Amino acid sequence: DGGITQSPKYLFRKEGQNVTLSCEQNLNHDAMYWYRQDPGQGLRLIYYSQIVNDFQKGDIAEGYSVSREKKESFPLTVTSAQKNPTAFYLCASSINREGFNQPQHFGDGTRLSIL
Amino acid sequence: AQTVTQSQPEMSVQEAETVTLSCTYDTSENNYYLFWYKQPPSRQMILVIRQEAYKQQNATENRFSVNFQKAAKSFSLKISDSQLGDTAMYFCAFMTGNAGNNRKLIWGLGTSLAVNP
Repeated sequence: DGGITQSPKYLFRKEGQNVTLSCEQNLNHDAMYWYRQDPGQGLRLIYYSQIVNDFQKGDIAEGYSVSREKKESFPLTVTSAQKNPTAFYLCASSINREGFNQPQHFGDGTRLSIL
Repeated sequence: AQTVTQSQPEMSVQEAETVTLSCTYDTSENNYYLFWYKQPPSRQMILVIRQEAYKQQNATENRFSVNFQKAAKSFSLKISDSQLGDTAMYFCAFMTGNAGNNRKLIWGLGTSLAVNP
């Protein structure tokens, strides 16, 4: 089955600790995205990547970092600089092609909480 | 900059009835895409329906249809014969159709829909 796999489903972070959220897709999609979802605030874009070895900051990139070494993988690191990391994190992917109707497909999400 | 507005934070409907969720957007572009996503209590984000701005015909997917008014920049979602499983948060989203490295989605804040038995 093709899809997007996020792990872990639940994650706890201690003060001053960096944690990494995994996102893997086998849809052969070029573009991948990370969103943060807080209650009442909808989805906010953290980082996105249109091709391998390239990524751009979204609207709320501070305190986060990403890498895109492989087409299938787009891990998100929540650093200790992110002072309010408690949220639901969603990873998405899409085809990146001119003139192509390209909805984003989502993983099941990771809920991150502070210990 | 593009914006998406969903003016109804919460709505409810009786099972088997019809409900319409509102969405308006602001853009100066002529070529773009619009989407409705559904997020049930399981938190999985599911694509419901999509519309290309260059198509005049309104998109339909079974019980879901849209009323796309390009001049008014309105993109409402109609759910017919509502079912209990339609209970979810519904998000409207906009994406530019222009070439380049910026094909990200612009999201509304969502409408929480409750279908009552």
